[in-house]
Amino acid sequence: DAGVTQSPTHLIKTRGQQVTLRCSPKSGHDTVSWYQQALGQGPQFIFQYYEEEERQRGNFPDRFSGHQFPNYSSELNVNALLLGDSALYLCASSLVVGQGGSPLHFGNGTRLTVT
Amino acid sequence: AQSVTQLDSHVSVSEGTPVLLRCNYSSSYSPSLFWYVQHPNKGLQLLLKYTSAATLVKGINGFEAEFKKSETSFHLTKPSAHMSDAAEYFCVVSVGYGGATNKLIFGTGTLLAVQP
Repeated sequence: DAGVTQSPTHLIKTRGQQVTLRCSPKSGHDTVSWYQQALGQGPQFIFQYYEEEERQRGNFPDRFSGHQFPNYSSELNVNALLLGDSALYLCASSLVVGQGGSPLHFGNGTRLTVT
Repeated sequence: AQSVTQLDSHVSVSEGTPVLLRCNYSSSYSPSLFWYVQHPNKGLQLLLKYTSAATLVKGINGFEAEFKKSETSFHLTKPSAHMSDAAEYFCVVSVGYGGATNKLIFGTGTLLAVQP
C-alpha cells in the first residue's frame, strides 16, 4: 500500500519563475493538504483540497494556488517565486471526518530552492 | 485561537536515559493533540494522538504523552532513549473546520540529540 508520494524530491528555480509540485495521496484518502516548512521551523498550513475544491486556506498570498484532480491527486503552484519561498513543501492526505483529530499521512516533501 | 508552545528548542540526553519533551497548548475547547517526529530529510511521522479519550496516550517506539488539562500540557516521554530517537519532534494541535478534516498547527519543534 503506497503512502503519500511527492514529486520531484528536489527542485531549483530562479526568482520570478513559476513552479508546480505534485502529490499523490495514500490509497483510499480523499483530502490533500499542503504545508510549507522553512528551514528550522515547523510546517505551516497552506491550503486543503477536498472534492476538487479549496476548503481551507492558511495565511499565504494568492501566488500560491492549487488543484485537486478526480483521482484525488493534487498540485501546488507557486508563481513569481521569491527567495523566501525556499522551503520543504509537504503534502499530507487524509479522509474527511466529521470531528476530532484525523491524523494526516505526510509525504517526504519536495525541497524547493529559489536562487 | 489554538496554539502550541514547545518549551525547549534542543534537548540532549544520553542513550538509555529518560526523554522528556515539553509542550503547552492553548485552546478554547477540548483540543485534539498530536506528536509528530521528523528524521533528517524525511517527512513527518505520527507518534501518537490525543482525542479526548484516555489522558495517557501510548504511541509508537515506546513514546507516550499525558494530557493534563489543569496544566494545559501534553508532554512527550520515553523511559529509555535510543540512538535512533535522534530527530526533530513537533507538538501539534488540530483546528476544526466544520465537517472537513482538521488542519494542523505545529509548534516550533524540539531537536532531540542522543549521546552514546
